[in-house]
Amino acid sequence: AQSVTQPDIHITVSEGASLELRCNYSYGATPYLFWYVQSPGQGLQLLLKYFSGDTLVQGIKGFEAEFKRSQSSFNLRKPSVHWSDAAEYFCAANLGGSGGYQKVTFGIGTKLQVIP
Amino acid sequence: GAGVSQSPRYKVAKRGQDVALRCDPISGHVSLFWYQQALGQGPEFLTYFQNEAQLDKSGLPSDRFFAERPEGSVSTLKIQRTQQEDSAVYLCASSLGGGYTFGSGTRLTVV
Repeated sequence: AQSVTQPDIHITVSEGASLELRCNYSYGATPYLFWYVQSPGQGLQLLLKYFSGDTLVQGIKGFEAEFKRSQSSFNLRKPSVHWSDAAEYFCAANLGGSGGYQKVTFGIGTKLQVIP
Repeated sequence: GAGVSQSPRYKVAKRGQDVALRCDPISGHVSLFWYQQALGQGPEFLTYFQNEAQLDKSGLPSDRFFAERPEGSVSTLKIQRTQQEDSAVYLCASSLGGGYTFGSGTRLTVV
């Protein structure tokens, strides 16, 4: 079945440390891929997206993600985490259709805790 | 408007009550989506509109859920005879292609 998997439900990192959040997808072709962040009580904010081209994409707030076709992965990274990055992060994929018009499937989310 | 606006932000309904949740998308955005996010879960797709046409309602969990977008802008998600399992945050998103812009959601609590 087509799906998006985030294997880490909860991650804790120290402020200033590097961060990598994992995301895998299951789909017969290359989907459009997204990372969103959700702060408590807030909606989802788009961090970055991959449609095609360069497999390393830059996003807002210093985040980047790398698409690896061979691993069906789209991991999110940040070289140095700030306390304000504590939030929940959702990987998402358009597993059918073209562009952003078709429904997007979300992973279960990874809750990031940042300790001083 | 500048963003996607949803109202109310919070709604408490007694079991069996009908509720209506409103979404005001970004002006000019053709596509509009409704998602349901249960506590501790990722958003789950409910339905999709392209202008006023509801092109996909495969995610609506039962016939108690109904969505409309009669003029291709504002959308309303209606839940009839609410049940406890309907308690969730209901997110609306609009798009012109290339990623969604989400509203802050409506948190529905059914008691």
